[in-house]
Parts: sequence; C-alpha cells; structure tokens
Amino acid sequence: AQSVTQPDIHITVSEGASLELRCNYSYGATPYLFWYVQSPGQGLQLLLKYFSGDTLVQGIKGFEAEFKRSQSSFNLRKPSVHWSDAAEYFCAVGAGGGGFKTIFGAGTRLFVKA
Amino acid sequence: DAGVTQSPTHLIKTRGQQVTLRCSPKSGHDTVSWYQQALGQGPQFIFQYYEEEERQRGNFPDRFSGHQFPNYSSELNVNALLLGDSALYLCASSGDTGNTEAFFGQGTRLTVV
Repeated sequence: AQSVTQPDIHITVSEGASLELRCNYSYGATPYLFWYVQSPGQGLQLLLKYFSGDTLVQGIKGFEAEFKRSQSSFNLRKPSVHWSDAAEYFCAVGAGGGGFKTIFGAGTRLFVKA
Repeated sequence: DAGVTQSPTHLIKTRGQQVTLRCSPKSGHDTVSWYQQALGQGPQFIFQYYEEEERQRGNFPDRFSGHQFPNYSSELNVNALLLGDSALYLCASSGDTGNTEAFFGQGTRLTVV
C-alpha cells in the first residue's frame, strides 16, 4: 500500500539557518511526489513537485527537494529560512492514474525563532 | 482565475444531522477530490469524482457520499454526523491527464457538537 512518512512532527530553526524536512514514501511504481505548505486555518499550497527527469527540483519561495529512489526519500530543503516560512509542511505521493489520489504524510510543523 | 472555491467556510452542526459541502473546481479542471483533515493530521482521501461518477474511494463509511454536476462542481454529503467528523474538509481539482497536480481550496471547517 502507498504511504508517506514524515519522521519529524515539529522542527525549530533559527531565522537565516538552513532547513531540511524529511520525507520517505512507499509506492510500487515511479511515484509522483509533492510538497505542500499550509498556514493555520488555510488550504494547501503546492511548493514543488517531481514527476520525472532531474531528481533535484526547484519550487517556489526558495525551496528545493531531491528525489532519491534508492532511499525512497524526497526531502525538502531551504538554504536560509525566513520567519514567514513558519507553517505546516506536507509531503505527498500521487497514486493511481487519471488525476491523482494524493496520499499525505502527517506533516511537519516548522517553527522559526528570531 | 478564481481557483478552487469552497462553501461555506465554517459550519456548526449537531450530532446526527446531515451536512452538504460545496466545491467549484479551478477553470479547466474536470476532476474533483475530497479530503478530510482532522486537527493535527494530514489530509485523508475521501473520494474522487470524474465525469459525474465516483472513480476512487478512500477508507470512509457510506455516510460520506458525493455528487458531481455537469459543470464539474461537486458536493460532499455526510449523514448521521458524529463528533469525530469535525474536521477541515478540503476540495481539490485536477485535469484528467497523467501528470497534473491537484489544486486545493481553502476548505470548510466543520464542527459537530
């Protein structure tokens, strides 16, 4: 069965420091992978996606993620965190054909300290 | 482009009642999916509609049903509400091709008392 694991429930980083959020997935075929961000009480905004090709993908707001098939991972990174990045981050895998049944991880809450 | 719109934004219902939530997909999208996001958790897939039929379904009881209209908009109905149905309900739309991501609405916050 398809699944997504985000090992860290919450992470605290200092403003200006680098960030890495971990994501591991289980999927029988080549996965479609996503990172979404959610601010409190809001919907989900897509940060970036991986479908095929270059395993290092660039997204919005200075985020990037690297797909590593051998490790079944799709970790999200940002070189310098801003206070406005504080939010909940969800890794997801697209399962099924013809539009996606998207399976989400439990999320990682990012706190940014001054 | 209005994106995905959901109504209402907030709703309070009493246990045992029925509720209908509505979703208008992003322009050009014909596939609508519904998700339930309980507090502190990731969204859980409820079901997906395409060409006015339920195409995929997650692990939710029959109390959860839906409908898609010819204009691709969709409704989520929940009968016999339980306290545990309190959650943020998210609608997502996508185009029916193999590699498009889903665009999400802002959600409907349902509180069952």
